[in-house]
Amino acid sequence: DAKTTQPPSMDCAEGRAANLPCNHSTISGNEYVYWYRQIHSQGPQYIIHGLKNNETNEMASLIITEDRKSSTLILPHATLRDTAVYYCIVGLTGTASKLTFGTGTRLQVTL
Amino acid sequence: EPEVTQTPSHQVTQMGQEVILRCVPISNHLYFYWYRQILGQKVEFLVSFYNNEISEKSEIFDDQFSVERPDGSNFTLKIRSTKLEDSAMYFCACGPEDRVIDTQYFGPGTRLTVL
Repeated sequence: DAKTTQPPSMDCAEGRAANLPCNHSTISGNEYVYWYRQIHSQGPQYIIHGLKNNETNEMASLIITEDRKSSTLILPHATLRDTAVYYCIVGLTGTASKLTFGTGTRLQVTL
Repeated sequence: EPEVTQTPSHQVTQMGQEVILRCVPISNHLYFYWYRQILGQKVEFLVSFYNNEISEKSEIFDDQFSVERPDGSNFTLKIRSTKLEDSAMYFCACGPEDRVIDTQYFGPGTRLTVL
C-alpha cells in the first residue's frame, strides 16, 4: 500500500471549515484514498473515500488532485465534536485487506 | 444504524492468564478484523477473518492469539497467556460482503490491562 504523509496537528475554530491535507505521492492507479477518524480512544470511524473524482457525503468532502498525489478532507463547518485524530489511508478496494493506520492529524476544534 | 458491540469494555487480568474478548459484528457482514492500539501509539492490524478462516495476520498475531466465530453472531479473540505488553485497546471491525469499497466498521473497543 502507498505511504501517506499528514501534518501531526491542526487547529480550527468552531463553525469554520477544517481542511486536512494528505500526501500520497506513490499511490497507484487502482488504489483508493480513505479517511477515517478516531475520537478520543473510541474505535475508528469511516468518513469518506475516493478514487479520482471529488466526493461529498453528509460528513465531509474529499478533494483529490488531478495527479492523485495528494488529497484534502474538508469538514465544512467544524464543531467541537469533530475534535479527533484523522487518518488518511490508501489501499486497494475489493480485497478485504487490512487498514494500515499512520499517526494521522490531530484536529483540535476550538471555540 | 447497526453497530458493532464489544464486551467487556474493560478487562483486567493477571499476567499468564487467558482472556477472551468478544465482538458482535453487524449482521450480514462477512469480513471480520481485530486491531489493537497500545496507549499513545498507532492502531495496529492483528488479523482478518472470512469464511471461517484467517485471511491475513500480522506478526503480532503469534501462537498466543486465536480467533473464532463460535456461532452466527459472535467473533472472539483469545489470548492464551497474557503478557504485560498485551495491555492495549482491542478493536473489532467488520465489513460487508459487498466489497465495492473497503469500509470497515469498528466497535468501541475493549481496554485490556495486564498486571
